[in-house]
Amino acid sequence: GQQLNQSPQSMFIQEGEDVSMNCTSSSIFNTWLWYKQDPGEGPVLLIALYKAGELTSNGRLTAQFGITRKDSFLNISASIPSDVGIYFCAGLRRGAQKLVFGQGTRLTINP
Amino acid sequence: DGGITQSPKYLFRKEGQNVTLSCEQNLNHDAMYWYRQDPGQGLRLIYYSQIVNDFQKGDIAEGYSVSREKKESFPLTVTSAQKNPTAFYLCASSTSSAVSYNEQFFGPGTRLTVL
Repeated sequence: GQQLNQSPQSMFIQEGEDVSMNCTSSSIFNTWLWYKQDPGEGPVLLIALYKAGELTSNGRLTAQFGITRKDSFLNISASIPSDVGIYFCAGLRRGAQKLVFGQGTRLTINP
Repeated sequence: DGGITQSPKYLFRKEGQNVTLSCEQNLNHDAMYWYRQDPGQGLRLIYYSQIVNDFQKGDIAEGYSVSREKKESFPLTVTSAQKNPTAFYLCASSTSSAVSYNEQFFGPGTRLTVL
């Protein structure tokens, strides 16, 4: 099945830095979801987006539904050690019934 | 507390044996899903069920089987026909609300190792 193109694949940053990652596709999406997965655990839903241009925040996290409806972005401000993990985007293509997932961005933070 | 439970957390089986992974939810969600996750990859859909007594194949259904006899339960059987069964298996569920239907919530996962 089709997967989304998520980048970067990994990030190594210093504590306190801001983080940006994105997800792109050649198809139009109606829904974008962002998840975080800790090692050995299931993904946890962070933010859900349903409208083009929508900007939604959850604490230090902010996600945007791209205007073209073919991409989405996640930003984390002032990173802290507990932000470490793998971040996945997921989307629902127009006319589809199943989510497709990106391959994940692995975030590592140096204290 | 409402949530999704998967058991066991770790499972070891010999090659050629069938094994069943449990998934239970008390969120009153109509839809349930099974995903497989391999290292460095995203989630791949195995099977999903939108209503009791009905289910559909996902992208990688070969070698797997499911049942949905109760709303709360969606067990996955990994059969001996699955060529590479060692993986992390994730169960998820979602409501039938039109707006939030695709907000899937995940269980803690089962790591299956076939020896």
